[in-house]
Amino acid sequence: ETGVTQTPRHLVMGMTNKKSLKCEQHLGHNAMYWYKQSAKKPLELMFVYSLEERVENNSVPSRFSPECPNSSHLFLHLHTLQPEDSALYLCASSQDLKGGSQYFGPGTRLLVL
Amino acid sequence: QKEVEQDPGPLSVPEGAIVSLNCTYSNSAFQYFMWYRQYSRKGPELLMYTYSSGNKEDGRFTAQVDKSSKYISLFIRDSQPSDSATYLCAMSDRDDKIIFGKGTRLHILP
Repeated sequence: ETGVTQTPRHLVMGMTNKKSLKCEQHLGHNAMYWYKQSAKKPLELMFVYSLEERVENNSVPSRFSPECPNSSHLFLHLHTLQPEDSALYLCASSQDLKGGSQYFGPGTRLLVL
Repeated sequence: QKEVEQDPGPLSVPEGAIVSLNCTYSNSAFQYFMWYRQYSRKGPELLMYTYSSGNKEDGRFTAQVDKSSKYISLFIRDSQPSDSATYLCAMSDRDDKIIFGKGTRLHILP
């Protein structure tokens, strides 16, 4: 298992629900990321945080709201999602933003009904 | 042209065969090249990490980078059924985000 954990591992929600995904990294990294992984598509970068500040938001709909209270924790708050938002949501961390490798959590499998 | 091209497969090979996985890219600024392995229902796991051109070997795995051709490869020797997974290539330049390929699904047949 990697040093990045995510909860919950599976989530089913209706379009009117509000839920949050949680990510925690135990690697002492300074950067954290949210990705969306859909079938037959490359990983889609959603948000990037470096030292708790958001540095990138790739035109993600406002129904997804990230929060990074400290360098070890990252949340993704979900509200009024659409069925097409069903996907695997992956959290990752890296030492910093200057190239290099990222370490992923196991992901949260989200189904929106 | 997409930044990173990777054949999605599936690729099926018999156990013990040498597997060759490849990606091409268009951005000549890429310097860092990675291969990730992703098992079903799991997150991607970093497998190989190389900087600039050349080869890197780790056990049964060899990563090759040819920057002049903008082509990277991952070779798996003596393939095992446990190697069955999706393999994603990824690359970045010094200051930019990582770009991932779509991934190649690999099946090793016992």
